[in-house]
Amino acid sequence: DAKTTQPNSMESNEEEPVHLPCNHSTISGTDYIHWYRQLPSQGPEYVIHGLTSNVNNRMASLAIAEDRKSSTLILHRATLRDAAVYYCIPYRGSTLGRLYFGRGTQLTVWP
Amino acid sequence: NAGVMQNPRHLVRRRGQEARLRCSPMKGHSHVYWYRQLPEEGLKFMVYLQKENIIDESGMPKERFSAEFPKEGPSILRIQQVVRGDSAAYFCASSGPLGATRDGYTFGSGTRLTVV
Repeated sequence: DAKTTQPNSMESNEEEPVHLPCNHSTISGTDYIHWYRQLPSQGPEYVIHGLTSNVNNRMASLAIAEDRKSSTLILHRATLRDAAVYYCIPYRGSTLGRLYFGRGTQLTVWP
Repeated sequence: NAGVMQNPRHLVRRRGQEARLRCSPMKGHSHVYWYRQLPEEGLKFMVYLQKENIIDESGMPKERFSAEFPKEGPSILRIQQVVRGDSAAYFCASSGPLGATRDGYTFGSGTRLTVV
């Protein structure tokens, strides 16, 4: 399984954009890149995923490097509710459901 | 559209007792996954079940832990003779047949087990 590297923590001010990086240099060609977040005392919440192209949804955007060795989750305007631990997870469909959660990035949002 | 329902939300057990954690998947989902999060640690995969079948239990401790997902009713994670080290948050996730490939997994809010 691909190993990921994320900063332990990041900070942002409310209503500013946030770029959360992830390195996954050993990712295979068929691994999707998933992002989840976990708010305090909650279960993980799916944010977004992609394979090769940049992706957008109502929660965030995902920018994937051309060589797929890294990706960046973009929150366009951080809110206090976005304070959470963000996990970048390469996902291979053949792993039958396993998601490997690393330590993630703790995002603090200041009012 | 109810999400993944887990109960109880909090469970306190004395050492040596049994703990039963329940998970009802989202409507239409027949794949269930259990994860455990020890204090100050990341989430660890435990087991993947479909209706009446265990697909992958490679993350389950070899003793005292078992899981089932019967044809009718919720999935159950059972821990026999609990010890203090079992104190953790247990999360259940569900998905449709494509797993996380299309829309990701939906997680419940978890059961926080405390062993005293």
